[in-house]
Amino acid sequence: EADIYQTPRYLVIGTGKKITLECSQTMGHDKMYWYQQDPGMELHLIHYSYGVNSTEKGDLSSESTVSRIRTEHFPLTLESARPSHTSQYLCASSEWTSGRTDTQYFGPGTRLTVL
Amino acid sequence: DQQVKQNSPSLSVQEGRISILNCDYTNSMFDYFLWYKKYPAEGPTFLISISSIKDKNEDGRFTVFLNKSAKHLSLHIVPSQPGDSAVYFCAARPGSQGNLIFGKGTKLSVKP
Repeated sequence: EADIYQTPRYLVIGTGKKITLECSQTMGHDKMYWYQQDPGMELHLIHYSYGVNSTEKGDLSSESTVSRIRTEHFPLTLESARPSHTSQYLCASSEWTSGRTDTQYFGPGTRLTVL
Repeated sequence: DQQVKQNSPSLSVQEGRISILNCDYTNSMFDYFLWYKKYPAEGPTFLISISSIKDKNEDGRFTVFLNKSAKHLSLHIVPSQPGDSAVYFCAARPGSQGNLIFGKGTKLSVKP
């Protein structure tokens, strides 16, 4: 069973607010990811990290930012939320063994609604 | 252009019968394939994977088949149970250092 946690699970906020979505894992995985997913659509990678002080942009352009100060923690921040940011945000982690990406394990997700 | 395609948005199966979920891909560099199961308002759960050097992998009621020449993989669930009702995502890895690319998912409904 994967040990990866996301808070909050649900968030409803007004336009223009700054928000931070939290993600933590206790598996000691080096590589972590943030995906955005809408119903009936594929998971889109928006950010990932190879380890501490590493952050990379994913395939889908996003106005969010991430940081990786500790191995187990990978928070995502939106400086000014808009209705177009309404989506489910999924955090995942995997081992990064000898440069090889292994199976990803996901957290429960955060459902964000921006009014 | 989608590199991983799940052409059936939904599938309905009777309890106890076989469920077959299909996935096609376009990139011959994909070397590792995975299936995830997702319930509403939850994160995807890893089910089963297969390396491109194999053509079959089995884990309990779940079997994944890979046909590299056809660039096609399938997930078989036998026997299907109502608790299997969920959205199933196919994912592929473009080389050992690549990030996963996901399909749009197939919603499986298993009726009692």
